[in-house]
Amino acid sequence: QSALTQPASVSGSPGQSITISCTGTSSDVGSYNRVSWYQQHPGKAPNLMIYEVNKRPSGVSNRFSGSKSANTASLTISGLQAEDEADYYCCSHAGGSTLYVFGSGTRVTVL
Amino acid sequence: EVQLVESGGGLVKPGGSLRLSCAGAGFIFSNAWMNWVRQAPGKGLEWVGRIKSKPDGETLDYAAFVKGRFSISREDSKNTVYLQMNSLKTEDTGLYYCSTGIDLDSWGQGTLVTVTS
Repeated sequence: QSALTQPASVSGSPGQSITISCTGTSSDVGSYNRVSWYQQHPGKAPNLMIYEVNKRPSGVSNRFSGSKSANTASLTISGLQAEDEADYYCCSHAGGSTLYVFGSGTRVTVL
Repeated sequence: EVQLVESGGGLVKPGGSLRLSCAGAGFIFSNAWMNWVRQAPGKGLEWVGRIKSKPDGETLDYAAFVKGRFSISREDSKNTVYLQMNSLKTEDTGLYYCSTGIDLDSWGQGTLVTVTS
């Protein structure tokens, strides 16, 4: 099972919106609505930001939203803030023995 | 508040073994599905395996790369899940996290495993 494809980096100015793509295959992203997104600040554990494509856990800002079309999922951060600067990973349920496949990760930089 | 604390990491030679532990608190551990996820230095996240709760049959699932080298178990009386790692390789080096649920919704801070000769 190959990692899902994410852009290595995305940047934006404070207040702007950015979108991170996560491209998989018909065996993972395309087949399941179990796509989640994690934020990881340097030296910290990942933190769940979005689950089941577009649901937000309690406590996560509504500036974070998720969507999916065919084999590609997306995370949008609106009203970009300095604290959003971090690595972001998508994750999808997958068929086969490897139940979860992660994306390659995207470094978000706030200019 | 959910708390997960991993322990048991360390330095080990290739071919060696290590057992990691993850102690949970702040939730009903016996009902939780528990995962292990690892992260090589400077790299991305990689799912290792999962054990379901006893009511759900304690079903075990592993990533393909495990190939019988790792095994997960749980001891609900101690709110602890374990990852037994055998035949370790240098590429197994990394930070090992435990995480709860089907959506990996809570994570510990990880325990570092270094495999080197």
